[in-house]
Amino acid sequence: GAVVSQHPSWVICKSGTSVKIECRSLDFQATTMFWYRQFPKQSLMLMATSNEGSKATYEQGVEKDKFLINHASLTLSTLTVTSAHPEDSSFYICSARDLDGSSYNEQFFGPGTRLTVL
Amino acid sequence: GQNIDQPTEMTATEGAIVQINCTYQTSGFNGLFWYQQHAGEAPTFLSYNVLDGLEEKGRFSSFLSRSKGYSYLLLKELQMKDSASYLCAPLDSNYQLIWGAGTKLIIKP
Repeated sequence: GAVVSQHPSWVICKSGTSVKIECRSLDFQATTMFWYRQFPKQSLMLMATSNEGSKATYEQGVEKDKFLINHASLTLSTLTVTSAHPEDSSFYICSARDLDGSSYNEQFFGPGTRLTVL
Repeated sequence: GQNIDQPTEMTATEGAIVQINCTYQTSGFNGLFWYQQHAGEAPTFLSYNVLDGLEEKGRFSSFLSRSKGYSYLLLKELQMKDSASYLCAPLDSNYQLIWGAGTKLIIKP
């Protein structure tokens, strides 16, 4: 099946610093990648939809200047959390949709990145 | 609005069968996914239904009734490793997954 990787798996940073998370589709091309955030015992929350070569579409309430998304190629999207604060500590998960498409628009999920801001 | 309703938590015994129900309301509908999520991990795909009826896949089966906005996931021959959260996620008219909080399934020996 399609594989999506994320790097790093976990990161601890100081308040005020920026953190970049990479999401790669390893064996397929992804026109669309999605970034989610999940707080403990809560549902996944879609932050933004990223299309290769164009600006990301952010969900209501998500600050686009704080969560910078770049989808420069069909296999790589990055999320940069700028000036991170403790309330940004969360589990960040990306997913990707296969360019050639499964017949049912399945999203393949990366393993997630746990961010802790001190 | 869009809404997903699943039980928060269920408990079952190893070797038994459990059915996790899901009702949903979405703006448009392009099928429904079931995902499994272990604590601290990303969701993994279990099943997809777009037409009414039952889809069987090994120990797991999923059912859909579009007219009722209802789906269930049936897990047979439960194993301890099945302890996880199960997420019902319909695909709306924009092909976006709509997530609820999921059902935490606890398996006891």
